[in-house]
Amino acid sequence: EPEVTQTPSHQVTQMGQEVILRCVPISNHLYFYWYRQILGQKVEFLVSFYNNEISEKSEIFDDQFSVERPDGSNFTLKIRSTKLEDSAMYFCASSERQAVLRGYTFGSGTRLTVV
Amino acid sequence: QKEVEQDPGPLSVPEGAIVSLNCTYSNSAFQYFMWYRQYSRKGPELLMYTYSSGNKEDGRFTAQVDKSSKYISLFIRDSQPSDSATYLCAMSPPARGSNYKLTFGKGTLLTVNP
Repeated sequence: EPEVTQTPSHQVTQMGQEVILRCVPISNHLYFYWYRQILGQKVEFLVSFYNNEISEKSEIFDDQFSVERPDGSNFTLKIRSTKLEDSAMYFCASSERQAVLRGYTFGSGTRLTVV
Repeated sequence: QKEVEQDPGPLSVPEGAIVSLNCTYSNSAFQYFMWYRQYSRKGPELLMYTYSSGNKEDGRFTAQVDKSSKYISLFIRDSQPSDSATYLCAMSPPARGSNYKLTFGKGTLLTVNP
């Protein structure tokens, strides 16, 4: 079964450093998303992306965050200057044009630890 | 009032029991309702989705939506130890374009004991 692949599975970084989280969405999917889950809290929407531009972003997604689809397969989330409170699981998701909600598929996540 | 409220449990039941998981919501714009299962250190996996009030059945799982009460439920019949996981409800308003922004509940941790 097709899956969304995220790398790395765990990343430790020092406060103030830049991190890039990588995702390979399902190949025929057109809509891409990032969510995050702080330990013990809800999964929260960060941003949606379609046709090489941001469709919607949450209040969490401030100027420190950016997304990019640098080639035909990867979808990345960059955090420019990490803070302790950025420590969380970050999930990438993708969906296809048809049956969008049925095909809304999440990756296994990247656990980001900021020290 | 939080947009989506879900009892975090934990919920522990014997194998074969019927499990009832619930969420309430306050945002009338929500029109699509999903249940996800999340195993430890994994991403959410879609179990069921629906967009209308009433029941939807899929095998041992039944999703129920009551839009007038802003209340959704997931029932698991004949629960199995392999059903042990965190169950997340999620909701979405109609899409902007075809982008659906999901709002999740906090999740209920379920353990099914053999």
